[in-house]
Amino acid sequence: DIVMTQSPDSLAVSLGERATINCKSSQSVLYRSNNKNYLAWYQQKPGQPPKLLIYWASTRESGVPDRFSGSGSGTDFTLTISSLQAEDVAVYYCQQYYTTPLAFGGGTNVEIK
Amino acid sequence: EVQLVESGGGLVQPGGSLKLSCAASGFTFSGSDIHWVRQASGKGLEWVGRIRSRANNFATAYAASVTGRFTISRDDSKNTAYVQMTSLKTEDTAVYYCSRLYVDSFGVVIRPDYWGLGTLVTVSS
Repeated sequence: DIVMTQSPDSLAVSLGERATINCKSSQSVLYRSNNKNYLAWYQQKPGQPPKLLIYWASTRESGVPDRFSGSGSGTDFTLTISSLQAEDVAVYYCQQYYTTPLAFGGGTNVEIK
Repeated sequence: EVQLVESGGGLVQPGGSLKLSCAASGFTFSGSDIHWVRQASGKGLEWVGRIRSRANNFATAYAASVTGRFTISRDDSKNTAYVQMTSLKTEDTAVYYCSRLYVDSFGVVIRPDYWGLGTLVTVSS
């Protein structure tokens, strides 16, 4: 089974500054036939379901602000919020959907410094 | 408008059973894979299992923690997916979400996009 490891567990960033979250998978999630990494990033606010931000590791979901970006390939991935806004306070999760059992990272709590 | 609406949650005693439903609208349900994910209070997300579309023989897969106790099914005529939960344990207490994994007409898995609001299952005596 693929294990997803996120870091850090918690992150405090000043408004307007950059936030960076890392995610590492225990095996590659790159599907060679289409050269796509089956890695998604979600944002979850209290009392709400997760909201898809990024899929295929770097493709932004429709309607997601462009301050959110994803990068990486194979086993190492990063979610970057280029200029943190107050509404970005949330828990962020990575997920591999390359193979079952699907797996989530442990989550990163992003707060305002 | 795309909607996934879970129902059927509630309080059940350890060892009991419960069946959750996920009613879908606003997209082609029959062509979509449906996943179940749960989240215990204050904890992270845990994948429970999934059922694929008819084109993929309604194939199911489960997390090790629920294998043999949970069964996922679907009724495409009702645009609804289900998870039958038996031999429930206190550690199954969580909000249960259903979500869609979008697969395009060529069978390429694209993205896990839509989620329901969840239904709370509490296993307690």
